[in-house]
Amino acid sequence: DAKTTQPNSMESNEEEPVHLPCNHSTISGTDYIHWYRQLPSQGPEYVIHGLTSNVNNRMASLAIAEDRKSSTLILHRATLRDAAVYYCILRSPPYTGANSKLTFGKGITLSVRP
Amino acid sequence: DAGVTQSPTHLIKTRGQHVTLRCSPISGHKSVSWYQQVLGQGPQFIFQYYEKEERGRGNFPDRFSARQFPNYSSELNVNALLLGDSALYLCASSRTRNTEAFFGQGTRLTVV
Repeated sequence: DAKTTQPNSMESNEEEPVHLPCNHSTISGTDYIHWYRQLPSQGPEYVIHGLTSNVNNRMASLAIAEDRKSSTLILHRATLRDAAVYYCILRSPPYTGANSKLTFGKGITLSVRP
Repeated sequence: DAGVTQSPTHLIKTRGQHVTLRCSPISGHKSVSWYQQVLGQGPQFIFQYYEKEERGRGNFPDRFSARQFPNYSSELNVNALLLGDSALYLCASSRTRNTEAFFGQGTRLTVV
């Protein structure tokens, strides 16, 4: 499996933008970059995913480097509810056998200050 | 729409016992996966089922087994429980194998 590297933790202030980095220097051409987050006492929650182009949805934006060796999850205005562990995960088709799983690392713990 | 539901939410078992955990996927979702999350770690993949067949298996001993029923619900069975099996067991469903996964709240298993 191609690996991802994330800082252990980050802090941000409420209502300010947050940029969560992820390095994936061994990414293959078919690997999609997925982000999930896990709020305290809950199961993980899908945030966003992308392949090459930057992606936006109602929760966040995903900025992917041109060489795809890194990406950044952007929360445009952090709220207290965004305090969670954020996981950056690579996943490639055919999504069966060894590729059927989501491989979670330790993730990055985001704290949001009021 | 109801999300992924897991039962029970909490469970205490004794070493050597057997446990069955249950998962109901979101309506219309045909893929169910199971994960184990120990304290301080990210979830670890155990099984994936799609259309009632096992499609993926993680690095877990044969004491762990699962199945998917015709209504796409699923059971995870663990035999001969060890203290190290204490963890949060998460079920995730997705419409197909390559779409986003939706997780339940998990079953907290404590083995004493």
